Amino acid sequence: SQKIEQNSEALNIQEGKTATLTCNYTNYSPAYLQWYRQDPGRGPVFLLLIRENEKEKRKERLKVTFDTTLKQSLFHITASQPADSATYLCALDPRYGNNRLAFGKGNQVVVIP
Amino acid sequence: DTAVSQTPKYLVTQMGNDKSIKCEQNLGHDTMYWYKQDSKKFLKIMFSYNNKELIINETVPNRFSPKSPDKAHLNLHINSLELGDSAVYFCASSQKATNYGYTFGSGTRLTVV
Repeated sequence: SQKIEQNSEALNIQEGKTATLTCNYTNYSPAYLQWYRQDPGRGPVFLLLIRENEKEKRKERLKVTFDTTLKQSLFHITASQPADSATYLCALDPRYGNNRLAFGKGNQVVVIP
Repeated sequence: DTAVSQTPKYLVTQMGNDKSIKCEQNLGHDTMYWYKQDSKKFLKIMFSYNNKELIINETVPNRFSPKSPDKAHLNLHINSLELGDSAVYFCASSQKATNYGYTFGSGTRLTVV
């Protein structure tokens, strides 16, 4: 069966350090992979999209890597700030058909001042 | 201006009732979606609709039906509500062939009592 796996344990990190989250998937061949941020009581907010032929993508303090051989994406927040505390969701867009984004369960990040 | 707006934000209703949730997007996107986020925070696709094509997730009960009066609106009707329908429902929209991911509404928290 298809799976998108993110660490269920919250990541507690000191302010200023780099937070790294992992997204592993099985039985998918995604055309691209996306990362979203979700705050309590709010909808997910799009952060970054990386295509299958891209190894790395950056946006300000965020960096995403995509390894289609390992079937894994890493999401980095450098120089983390308390305002970065949220749940981060990995999402895959299937290569074929239906254009329906499938989400992982998310990984909570807590940045400690 | 809110890009994707849902109403109501909260909905409390009794079992067996029929209810609707409205969604509107002002982004000019060509595809709209409904997602369900359960108590475990798992975000699951229910429907996607782009102009003429409705794609239904096969696990969605037929008590749920999307209605799209025009390209900017995708409403969700739920008949004979059950306790298990309690969740947060998110509307989203996207435009194909972009790097901007999905835009989500702020969600409707449905509680069936």
